[in-house]
Amino acid sequence: DVVMTQSPLSLPVTLGQPASISCKSSQSLVYSDGNTYLNWFQQRPGQSPRRLIYQVSNRDSGVPDRFSGSGSGTDFTLEISRVEAEDVGVYYCMQGTHWPPGTFGQGTKLEIK
Amino acid sequence: QVQLVESGGGVVQPGRSLRLSCAASGFSVSNYAMHWVRQAPGKGLEWVAVMSYDGNNEYYADSVKGRFTISRDNSMNTLYLQMNSLRAEDTALYFCARDNNGDYWGQGTLVTVSS
Repeated sequence: DVVMTQSPLSLPVTLGQPASISCKSSQSLVYSDGNTYLNWFQQRPGQSPRRLIYQVSNRDSGVPDRFSGSGSGTDFTLEISRVEAEDVGVYYCMQGTHWPPGTFGQGTKLEIK
Repeated sequence: QVQLVESGGGVVQPGRSLRLSCAASGFSVSNYAMHWVRQAPGKGLEWVAVMSYDGNNEYYADSVKGRFTISRDNSMNTLYLQMNSLRAEDTALYFCARDNNGDYWGQGTLVTVSS
């Protein structure tokens, strides 16, 4: 099974400052069709997960452009250019390349310093 | 628009059964892989089960294999999760999600297994 490892697990950030979350997979996430199915989710307190980024770097509809994703192969990053109060929550990476099983990272809790 | 609404959660004793439902609207469940994902209190996300878009394949996490069954009713556009032999460690908020890349999620239904 593919193991997804996120860091850091806790991320205190000052409002207006950038934030970065790393996600590493135990094997390449490049699928046979050439695409890389790495997704990022945001879960605000008391809410269900919401997908922010798909296929490494594509923002879902309605996601602010301060969120960006990058990476390739086994190493991926979610960046927030300027953190806002509404960004508080837990962020998960998830691979959609090697099913089953589905695998999520442990989650990174972003809080305002 | 796409919407997923889970129901059927509740408090149940260990060893008993429960069936969760996920009513879909805005798309057909028969056109997508559909998943169940759970989240124990204060914990991260754990994938539980998936039914392939064509309905021919089902896969389960090792933790629920042999106890849980995923199914769907295309006419009702609804996904189900039959949970048997429930254990305390199955206590969680259960979400349904569309597609192998989780583009849409429901709000979840809470299952509490306790005597």
